[in-house]
Amino acid sequence: GAGVSQSPRYKVAKRGQDVALRCDPISGHVSLFWYQQALGQGPEFLTYFQNEAQLDKSGLPSDRFFAERPEGSVSTLKIQRTQQEDSAVYLCASSLAGGVNYGYTFGSGTRLTVV
Amino acid sequence: RKEVEQDPGPFNVPEGATVAFNCTYSNSASQSFFWYRQDCRKEPKLLMSVYSSGNEDGRFTAQLNRASQYISLLIRDSKLSDSATYLCVVNMISGSARQLTFGSGTQLTVLP
Repeated sequence: GAGVSQSPRYKVAKRGQDVALRCDPISGHVSLFWYQQALGQGPEFLTYFQNEAQLDKSGLPSDRFFAERPEGSVSTLKIQRTQQEDSAVYLCASSLAGGVNYGYTFGSGTRLTVV
Repeated sequence: RKEVEQDPGPFNVPEGATVAFNCTYSNSASQSFFWYRQDCRKEPKLLMSVYSSGNEDGRFTAQLNRASQYISLLIRDSKLSDSATYLCVVNMISGSARQLTFGSGTQLTVLP
């Protein structure tokens, strides 16, 4: 596609519910990143994929967070047993190459509200 | 201490003014530097990369001082459409070599 597509755009979850957030990167982009952005803060790194390999998951805040990219294109970020502190915008970004000399292209994000 | 620090602002300036934002980073081994722009309730978008020699893109000038671990962005002749949050972004070698670290952003409002 022309840009990074994320769905749903908005998600309201009851505390304890599991959620799945989808990211469809730009076609041909090797690298895919997930970031979490709390209100008034900059995006915080969660995890990074190069093709289907998850090379870095150091930013995932707890074992309730899980991400996958099984075929090296679409990625899903899953949050189990959601808590109120999980409320944030979840941003997906992709880039053409594995290095960081390229800027990322971000999707519009999924705004998660846990009630 | 945050790895990338910015003055959160807000900066409120009149149209046509020149405004400068500063950013410091903690990891001296960082390699890549960027400024991103984020409009309210939108995703961040790459504004420009920052090079050691300094670089300019129209009304925007970015500077990098590696010795001081300091990055700046200068906006000349500011327009109403420049109103946004400006994010300083650094590649942090201490973590994954493939992830960028964002500052919290500096909010700019250009007033008519």
